[in-house]
Amino acid sequence: EDQVTQSPEALRLQEGESSSLNCSYTVSGLRGLFWYRQDPGKGPEFLFTLYSAGEEKEKERLKATLTKKESFLHITAPKPEDSATYLCAVQAYTGGFKTIFGAGTRLFVKA
Amino acid sequence: EPEVTQTPSHQVTQMGQEVILRCVPISNHLYFYWYRQILGQKVEFLVSFYNNEISEKSEIFDDQFSVERPDGSNFTLKIRSTKLEDSAMYFCATSGGPTDTQYFGPGTRLTVL
Repeated sequence: EDQVTQSPEALRLQEGESSSLNCSYTVSGLRGLFWYRQDPGKGPEFLFTLYSAGEEKEKERLKATLTKKESFLHITAPKPEDSATYLCAVQAYTGGFKTIFGAGTRLFVKA
Repeated sequence: EPEVTQTPSHQVTQMGQEVILRCVPISNHLYFYWYRQILGQKVEFLVSFYNNEISEKSEIFDDQFSVERPDGSNFTLKIRSTKLEDSAMYFCATSGGPTDTQYFGPGTRLTVL
């Protein structure tokens, strides 16, 4: 069964304390992996798309990496405004394209 | 910057009533999606739509759900006879290609009483 698992469920950091979020997946026919940020009551906001193992992308304090079985979202020197839920989603092809989301990691950054 | 818009932002309805949720995709996008998120739970795929037909649907997307692109700009999700368990945030997303980045709208909060 196709599955996406994110860890940890919640993460509390001090401002400036770098860390990583994990997204592990078991899907057949992976076509892409997406990272989104979601604030309470809002729609997911796009961060990164990764397509192949070894790929890396960066944006401000965030860096996403991809291997054959997992992806990491590295947060360098976070600020309180980085507090949000970070969602990982994979797109699989099983005769048709289907996108599967993980449950997310809730990040709290304290000043 | 182009964005996906959704209306209404909040819909309250009585159980058994029909509701239509509307989405305006990014103008040059060809692939359209509906997702739902029950409060406190993960985002769940409902359906994908391309070239005026359903490409893929999940087991959640049963006969009470339907989608259409009635006028070439709007993309709609209809729930024929709402149930209490349909209460959720419904998100529309659009992309330029089948594996391209999906951009999400702000969502419609559906409350079924």
